[in-house]
Amino acid sequence: KNQVEQSPQSLIILEGKNCTLQCNYTVSPFSNLRWYKQDTGRGPVSLTIMTFSENTKSNGRYTATLDADTKQSSLHITASQLSDSASYICVVSAYSSASKIIFGSGTRLSIRP
Amino acid sequence: DTAVSQTPKYLVTQMGNDKSIKCEQNLGHDTMYWYKQDSKKFLKIMFSYNNKELIINETVPNRFSPKSPDKAHLNLHINSLELGDSAVYFCASSQDFGRARIDTQYFGPGTRLTVL
Repeated sequence: KNQVEQSPQSLIILEGKNCTLQCNYTVSPFSNLRWYKQDTGRGPVSLTIMTFSENTKSNGRYTATLDADTKQSSLHITASQLSDSASYICVVSAYSSASKIIFGSGTRLSIRP
Repeated sequence: DTAVSQTPKYLVTQMGNDKSIKCEQNLGHDTMYWYKQDSKKFLKIMFSYNNKELIINETVPNRFSPKSPDKAHLNLHINSLELGDSAVYFCASSQDFGRARIDTQYFGPGTRLTVL
């Protein structure tokens, strides 16, 4: 069964600290993995997209890693800011079928001053 | 310069009514999507249109029907609304779905539908 699981469900850290969010997937055959940021009451916004051959991709203070062998991805946030408070959603697409775009349930990140 | 816009932002209606949600994108993208986000915050794809052709149709009730008058618009029509239809509905668009599959989806702000 195609699944995307994220951990932790929620996370609270102090402003300025780093954190890492995890994503494990069983979607096959793998096409790409994306991380989205969703602010409360708004639509998701793309942070990174990685294909099978990419291990790391950065977008400012966000760095995503991908291990296609273990089917794991992480999103590392450096020097967190209050504006980083949001839900972070991992999305995995399968290559063979247009219908297989699987969303994780997200990690709710709260940054405290 | 809103890239993907949806109307209305909020929709409150009675069970059994028929309603539509409109979506427009000004990005020149080829493909548009509708997603449903339930109370548990799971996003599930419902439909997508590429060049006015339905290419995804997940197991959604046939009370839901997407309508695309042109490449820039994908409206969602819902008949005989039920309590379980209450959710946030997101429209999205992307440039090239199907070939490279590394297209970024741009999401609209969402429409919060409440069925009473």
